[in-house]
Amino acid sequence: EIVMTQSPATLSVSPGERVTLSCRASQSVSTNLAWYQQKPGQPPRLLIYDASTRATGIPASFRGSGSGTEFTLTISSLQSEDFAIYYCQQYNHWPSLTFGGGTRVEIK
Amino acid sequence: QVQLVESGGGLVKPGGSLRLSCAASGFTFSDHYLTWIRQAPGKGLEWVSYISDSSHYTNFPDSVNGRFTISRDNARNSLYLQMNSLRVEDTAVYYCARDRGENDIIGYFDSWGQGTLVTVSS
Repeated sequence: EIVMTQSPATLSVSPGERVTLSCRASQSVSTNLAWYQQKPGQPPRLLIYDASTRATGIPASFRGSGSGTEFTLTISSLQSEDFAIYYCQQYNHWPSLTFGGGTRVEIK
Repeated sequence: QVQLVESGGGLVKPGGSLRLSCAASGFTFSDHYLTWIRQAPGKGLEWVSYISDSSHYTNFPDSVNGRFTISRDNARNSLYLQMNSLRVEDTAVYYCARDRGENDIIGYFDSWGQGTLVTVSS
């Protein structure tokens, strides 16, 4: 099973700051990686797929990058609505799909 | 717009059974692979099962293989998860989700339901 490791577990930031979240795979997943955002009491929402393609309706402030085993989600200027938990998910090693443990982005 | 609505969750004793349903609307149901993903309280996401568009293919992780069955009724735009031999560690919110691909699997999910809570406790 591919293990996805996200860091840090929690990030305390101020509104307007730039944020960088990391996701590492235990073996290469090529660019078959997605990012999701989850707010309390809500289901996850797809942000990024294929490592760097924004899903429909996702603002340009969200940027995904990386390939192989190292991936990054960058939020260029954090808005109040961006405080949430972010998960990465690999889909390269089908049928085993695995998620990272999540990074919580909280208000500093 | 795409809508997925889960139902059937509740409190069940260890060893018991439960059947979850997911009613879909707003898209061509029979064109998409579908999945169940769960989230234990305060924890991360775990993929639970997958079914192909025509039901020919299903898959489960080891944690539920042999205990859970996934099925779908394309005429009723509905997805199901039959859960048997439930364990305390199966306690979670269960989400149904749509694979973004059409008539093929891609492996990521562009639409999710609101989830239904399953609690396994004596």
